[in-house]
Amino acid sequence: SYELTQPPSVSVSPGQTASITCSGDDLGGKFASWYQQKAGQSPVLLIYKDVKRPSGIPERFSGSNSGNTATLTISGTQAMDEADYYCQAWDSSTVWAFGGGTKLTVL
Amino acid sequence: QVQLVESGGGVVQPGRSLRLSCAASGFSFSTYGMHWVRQAPGKGLEWVAFIWYDGINKYHADSVKGRFTVSRDNSKNTLYLQLNSLGVEDTAVYYCARVSEFAAGMDVWGQGTTVSVSS
Repeated sequence: SYELTQPPSVSVSPGQTASITCSGDDLGGKFASWYQQKAGQSPVLLIYKDVKRPSGIPERFSGSNSGNTATLTISGTQAMDEADYYCQAWDSSTVWAFGGGTKLTVL
Repeated sequence: QVQLVESGGGVVQPGRSLRLSCAASGFSFSTYGMHWVRQAPGKGLEWVAFIWYDGINKYHADSVKGRFTVSRDNSKNTLYLQLNSLGVEDTAVYYCARVSEFAAGMDVWGQGTTVSVSS
């Protein structure tokens, strides 16, 4: 099975930029998505196909994917962004896989 | 509005079976692929199964292969997950989610249904 590795936690000050990484073998050759999950709620899609943002997702959320690492960047982080974030990858051989999740703390 | 509503969860003994349902509304269910994703208590998301819009192409995670089966009834706008030979490790909240193509993200999620396997 395909493994995706995320840092367990990331901290950021309000208004600053947060970066959450997701690592996997040749991840840049696959399509990555990112999800936000707040406590007690269902996940919400933030980014798909590496860089695309669904309608209704704020522009401060952006994604990139190259080499073995995909990155979710949150610009101008707000207190409401405190949540768990998961990366997910797909390709024809990988099927679907999730990273272990990163808890974002806005200090 | 676009909505997915899971049901069928509960408390079950090890080795028993359960069938989960996911009722879709507000969109053309028969044109979307559908996933099952689970989340054990205090843990991360785990992909479980996928079925393409036509019900022909199906994929299951290695952890559930041979025990769980995904299916759908497009005439009833409903997705199913049959869970057999349940073990304590299957205790989790089970979510259904839709996807427009293989590589696209899961853009609509249900609220989840809880399965607890305990003797």
